[in-house]
Amino acid sequence: SQTIHQWPATLVQPVGSPLSLECTVEGTSNPNLYWYRQAAGRGLQLLFYSVGIGQISSEVPQNLSASRPQDRQFILSSKKLLLSDSGFYLCAWSRRFSEGNTEAFFGQGTRLTVV
Amino acid sequence: RKEVEQDPGPFNVPEGATVAFNCTYSNSASQSFFWYRQDCRKEPKLLMSVYSSGNEDGRFTAQLNRASQYISLLIRDSKLSDSATYLCVVNQYNQGGKLIFGQGTELSVKP
Repeated sequence: SQTIHQWPATLVQPVGSPLSLECTVEGTSNPNLYWYRQAAGRGLQLLFYSVGIGQISSEVPQNLSASRPQDRQFILSSKKLLLSDSGFYLCAWSRRFSEGNTEAFFGQGTRLTVV
Repeated sequence: RKEVEQDPGPFNVPEGATVAFNCTYSNSASQSFFWYRQDCRKEPKLLMSVYSSGNEDGRFTAQLNRASQYISLLIRDSKLSDSATYLCVVNQYNQGGKLIFGQGTELSVKP
């Protein structure tokens, strides 16, 4: 069966510090991978998605970046965090088939507080 | 216009009520549709996929209207445990697999 791991679960970082969140998927190959952010009381905002190694699509201009160094590894990074980067970060994966994608499966999320 | 829009909430209903959530999407090339449930401070979890012919799972019924670019979720005989935020999700395959979430509709079922 497939599983998705995301860590850490909670993180408190000072403004201006770097960030690295990691997500790995097991039990499947060549998944679509996603990073979402959810501000308190708001919906999910798609930040990045990837359809393959080294292929990253960015949805919003910001001081975040993403990388996919391996097929089942997706990393979200920042060189210098802003207060506005606080939120609930969720990694997800889905399978592709000829006519679209399956549903997305989420990691447990990282609650980031920038202070 | 947002790519995926849902009814603004919150919905406050008594136990046993029937409640309906609506969702519209702007990209006619969208091909897969889902409803997710999100409990407070948790990750979203799939509630059900939405098929062209409509589908039902117990007290939950999902429908898709491609002509109007509209999907719906009906919950019958609401339970206290149905209290959560319900998220509409659209897959835009022609954009390489984007999964776009609506902003969610909060449901609160009261005794």
